[in-house]
Amino acid sequence: SQTIHQWPATLVQPVGSPLSLECTVEGTSNPNLYWYRQAAGRGLQLLFYSVGIGQISSEVPQNLSASRPQDRQFILSSKKLLLSDSGFYLCAWSRPRNSPLHFGNGTRLTVT
Amino acid sequence: DQQVKQNSPSLSVQEGRISILNCDYTNSMFDYFLWYKKYPAEGPTFLISISSIKDKNEDGRFTVFLNKSAKHLSLHIVPSQPGDSAVYFCAASEDTNAGKSTFGDGTTLTVKP
Repeated sequence: SQTIHQWPATLVQPVGSPLSLECTVEGTSNPNLYWYRQAAGRGLQLLFYSVGIGQISSEVPQNLSASRPQDRQFILSSKKLLLSDSGFYLCAWSRPRNSPLHFGNGTRLTVT
Repeated sequence: DQQVKQNSPSLSVQEGRISILNCDYTNSMFDYFLWYKKYPAEGPTFLISISSIKDKNEDGRFTVFLNKSAKHLSLHIVPSQPGDSAVYFCAASEDTNAGKSTFGDGTTLTVKP
């Protein structure tokens, strides 16, 4: 069966510090990978998605970047965090075409 | 402009009764719709989906109805159980990539014993 691991579960970082969130998927190959963010009381907003190694599409302009160095690894990064980067970050995978998302348990990021 | 709207932030239902969660969308290019359930401190989990070529899809206690002309879909849960208490998100996608979904803000369902 497929599993998705995302860490850390919570993170408190000062403004201006770097960020690296990692996500790995097991039990499937060549998945589509996604980073979503949920603001408090809101729905999920797609930040990045990837259909293969090194292929990253950004959905919204922002202070963040994503990378996919291996088939089942997806990394969300920032060089300098802003207060507005606080939120609940979710990694997810899916098969191509009409296939639902499978989410990790998320990282609660608080930028102070 | 929010393309997927869940106008009811919360819904409270008695155990055993029907729960109806509603969702409206504005983008006529959406052709695949999904419902996810989310418990606190966890990621959402997929519940049920429907393609635009159908108007109903059923899975156990969960049924999703799609009215394309009204750009409206609804999730029916019957009978409702206390374990169904969670936040429910409606999501819509186009171009056959359900991973690139636009989500509503969610409806918090509380099922009272």
